[in-house]
Amino acid sequence: QKEVEQNSGPLSVPEGAIASLNCTYSDRGSQSFFWYRQYSGKSPELIMFIYSNGDKEDGRFTAQLNKASQYVSLLIRDSQPSDSATYLCAVNYNAGNMLTFGGGTRLMVKP
Amino acid sequence: EAQVTQNPRYLITVTGKKLTVTCSQNMNHEYMSWYRQDPGLGLRQIYYSMNVEVTDKGDVPEGYKVSRKEKRNFPLILESPSPNQTSLYFCASSTLTPWTGSNGYTFGSGTRLTVV
Repeated sequence: QKEVEQNSGPLSVPEGAIASLNCTYSDRGSQSFFWYRQYSGKSPELIMFIYSNGDKEDGRFTAQLNKASQYVSLLIRDSQPSDSATYLCAVNYNAGNMLTFGGGTRLMVKP
Repeated sequence: EAQVTQNPRYLITVTGKKLTVTCSQNMNHEYMSWYRQDPGLGLRQIYYSMNVEVTDKGDVPEGYKVSRKEKRNFPLILESPSPNQTSLYFCASSTLTPWTGSNGYTFGSGTRLTVV
């Protein structure tokens, strides 16, 4: 069973701080990694994807991938209350187009 | 506007009464998939389709059926719903290589199903 693990949280950070969200996965054959944001009762929306070791930056968001450690993270700089949501990590295991999702980390940004 | 459209958004039904949740995408995506989301269990894949007339089971297919007669449509069928199928359902679509310059999965707005 391929697994994607996330701390369910809540992770609480003050406004303006850096939020660090972590995800581990079980299959070394994993090829691509996605971060989704989901507001309560809404559908997941894609924030970033990464498939090479290292960092990938997009605005206030940075995804970090370490395949040797089977670890992917998402950093949110200058966190805003509007960033308060559940963040889902998803992994593609090269089995067609399927993504396996982690359980999500709930982030709370306090003004 | 590029989107995945699910209907209905909310549905309350009784045990055993057949229902269909529709899903349609206008992005010419080959890949479509159904997920259910339950508290503490995250998103779990029910069925997926790589193209027209090609479907396969995900992690939790029991009690569900799907069909892919047209590229844009991927309905989810519950022939005899039971209370344990009460959940939030999402349809998603993508190109077949989501990591190559595309936007990954695009999700529909969700269908909240209650079976009493």
